[in-house]
Amino acid sequence: TQLLEQSPQFLSIQEGENLTVYCNSSSVFSSLQWYRQEPGEGPVLLVTVVTGGEVKKLKRLTFQFGDARKDSSLHITAAQPGDTGLYLCAGAGADSNYQLIWGAGTKLIIKP
Amino acid sequence: EPEVTQTPSHQVTQMGQEVILRCVPISNHLYFYWYRQILGQKVEFLVSFYNNEISEKSEIFDDQFSVERPDGSNFTLKIRSTKLEDSAMYFCASRKRELGEKLFFGSGTQLSVL
Repeated sequence: TQLLEQSPQFLSIQEGENLTVYCNSSSVFSSLQWYRQEPGEGPVLLVTVVTGGEVKKLKRLTFQFGDARKDSSLHITAAQPGDTGLYLCAGAGADSNYQLIWGAGTKLIIKP
Repeated sequence: EPEVTQTPSHQVTQMGQEVILRCVPISNHLYFYWYRQILGQKVEFLVSFYNNEISEKSEIFDDQFSVERPDGSNFTLKIRSTKLEDSAMYFCASRKRELGEKLFFGSGTQLSVL
């Protein structure tokens, strides 16, 4: 069974600080996606990383896929209160084209 | 931007009753999914559907669950005899093509089984 361990589960920092969220697994994923979920809403896709070592940037957010495609990170530079939310990683298993394996999520609070 | 629509947003039912959760995927999408999220827990895959048949299903998706695409627009999840542990937020999702295409989620149906 493939698992994705996401850390930290909860993070509260001041506006302007940097932070990194991690997703780790012992399994290889064919791709990994990062989502943001607001209360009472479905997850919204932020980015998909596919190639080992791939780095994608979305404004102040930087996503990296590990060389071995077993882990990923989300780095936010100069966090803003608008970044507050639940961030989820989800991996597409190497043996499945349809399932997504989900991390437990990181609840991020950015204080003004 | 196109949306996946789910109804109802909240459903309360008695244990043992049947419920049908409804979804209208984005019109030109071909792959459809149901996920659920029990309060405070991970999102869990239930089932995927393509070309009018189930492509994959998880261990959660037992004989009490079924999916249907009764017409060209709706995609439903039926739970025949609900249990307390079926209480969760159920999300429908769709994508246009294979994995790698963006997966669009609906806002979810909060199911409460009493």
